[in-house]
Amino acid sequence: TQLLEQSPQFLSIQEGENLTVYCNSSSVFSSLQWYRQEPGEGPVLLVTVVTGGEVKKLKRLTFQFGDARKDSSLHITAAQPGDTGLYLCAGELRDYKLSFGAGTTVTVRA
Amino acid sequence: GAGVSQSPSNKVTEKGKDVELRCDPISGHTALYWYRQSLGQGLEFLIYFQGNSAPDKSGLPSDRFSAERTGGSVSTLTIQRTQQEDSAVYLCASSYYWGNEQFFGPGTRLTVL
Repeated sequence: TQLLEQSPQFLSIQEGENLTVYCNSSSVFSSLQWYRQEPGEGPVLLVTVVTGGEVKKLKRLTFQFGDARKDSSLHITAAQPGDTGLYLCAGELRDYKLSFGAGTTVTVRA
Repeated sequence: GAGVSQSPSNKVTEKGKDVELRCDPISGHTALYWYRQSLGQGLEFLIYFQGNSAPDKSGLPSDRFSAERTGGSVSTLTIQRTQQEDSAVYLCASSYYWGNEQFFGPGTRLTVL
C-alpha cells in the first residue's frame, strides 16, 4: 500500500500547454520531494518543499506543499518536449525514509 | 566527479538462480540506499547503510534478499532463488549523510524468466 497517490497516471499534452500533477496522502510528511526520471536513468531531484503552504518556482515549474503537509502539486507552464518524463513525488517520514508515489508519465508532443 | 554507477545494466536470469547486483556510490558519500521499481509502481525502499552503523533492512521483502557494503563504499544486493515477481529495476542511491539529497544510479533491470 502506497502512502502517496499521484494523479493522473498518464498525461499527454501539446507543446505550449499547461499541466498539473497532484500528489495526495492522508499522512503528514516532514517534507516532500519531486523527482523527474527519464528512461534508463535514475530519478533526479527537482525540489524539496518543507513548510506547509510553501510555493517554490523553478523556471516554468511551480511546486506547492499543502497547508497540512499532506499533499502537493506540480504545475508546468508552457510545457516543452524536454519536460517529457516520469514525475515522482516522495514524502519524507520521521525517520528520514522516503515514501514514493507511483509516478505520473508526462508526454509533451511537439 | 562521477555519479552513482550500477552494474550490470541488464540481467536476465532463470527462476531459481541467484543474482548479484553491484552499486558504486559517489566518493565520500556515507549513506547508501537500495530501492526496487516495478512497472506502474513507485520506488520501494529495500535497505540502507549509514557509515559503519548496522543497516536498516526493514524494506527487504523476504529472506531471499540480502545486501552488504564493504569498506563503506561498494555495495552488493543479492537475491537468492529468484522468482518471477522479483523482475523489476533495482536502483541504488547515495547521499553525503542520511537524510541529505539522494543521488540515484541508472539502475539494473532484472528479468526473471
